[in-house]
Amino acid sequence: QPALTQSSSASASLGSSVKFTCTLSSGHSTYIIAWHQQQPGKAPRYLMKVEYSGNYDKGSGVPDRFSGSSSGADRYLTISNVQSEDEADYYCETWDINTRVFGTGTKVTVL
Amino acid sequence: QVQVVESGGGVVQPGRSLRLSCAASGFTFRNYEMHWVRQAPGKGLQWVALISYDGNTKYYADSVRGRLTISRDNSKNTLYLQMNSLRAEDTAVYYCRGGLDYWGQGTLVTVSS
Repeated sequence: QPALTQSSSASASLGSSVKFTCTLSSGHSTYIIAWHQQQPGKAPRYLMKVEYSGNYDKGSGVPDRFSGSSSGADRYLTISNVQSEDEADYYCETWDINTRVFGTGTKVTVL
Repeated sequence: QVQVVESGGGVVQPGRSLRLSCAASGFTFRNYEMHWVRQAPGKGLQWVALISYDGNTKYYADSVRGRLTISRDNSKNTLYLQMNSLRAEDTAVYYCRGGLDYWGQGTLVTVSS
C-alpha cells in the first residue's frame, strides 16, 4: 500500500508564501493525493485534490490563496499571502482500492 | 448547508462495546462513500474504515479489523460504527466523513478502566 512523507513543521511570515511537500512512496508516484487543514481544536477541513499532472481541484469555499502542484512523487500545497488563520496542521492523504493513508502532518506556524 | 454530526462517544472500560452514529444532511448521502477517521490525543489522523455508497463493500484498517464494524442506513442518512472489544489504544476523537469533502466535528471515545 502507498505511504506518505511530510515534513513536521514549516513557518511563514504574515503576508508571505509557504510551500510544503507530501512525498509518495516508491511505486506510487502517480497517485492522487488530497490536502486537509486542521486548525487548532477544530475538525479537519478538505482543501483540494492534487494529481500527478499538477492539476488540482479545490473544495467548496477554499480561498484562492491556496493552490496545489506536483513534481514526480512530490505533491505540494502553496499558501500565498499567508493569514493568521492559516496556522494549522496540514495532512495529505492518498488511497488504494481498499485503504486510505494519511501523512503525519505538517504544522504551519505564522510568524 | 452540509451537516455531519457524530454521536455516541463516551468513556468505556476495556473489552466493552460502544456504537457511534453519524447523521448527515445537505448532500445526497446515498451517493457517497463514507469513512470513519480517528485521531488519538495529540496525534495525527488515522483512517479506520470505509463503506461504499450502497453498503455492499467495506474495508478496515488492520488495527481495527475484526473488532470494529462500519454500516449505514441510507433511508436515515446515517452511518454507524460498532466498536467491540475496545482497547486503550482505541481512545481517540472519531470523525465521520462523506467522500473526501464532508467532515463531521467528531466524537470522543475514551477507553479506560
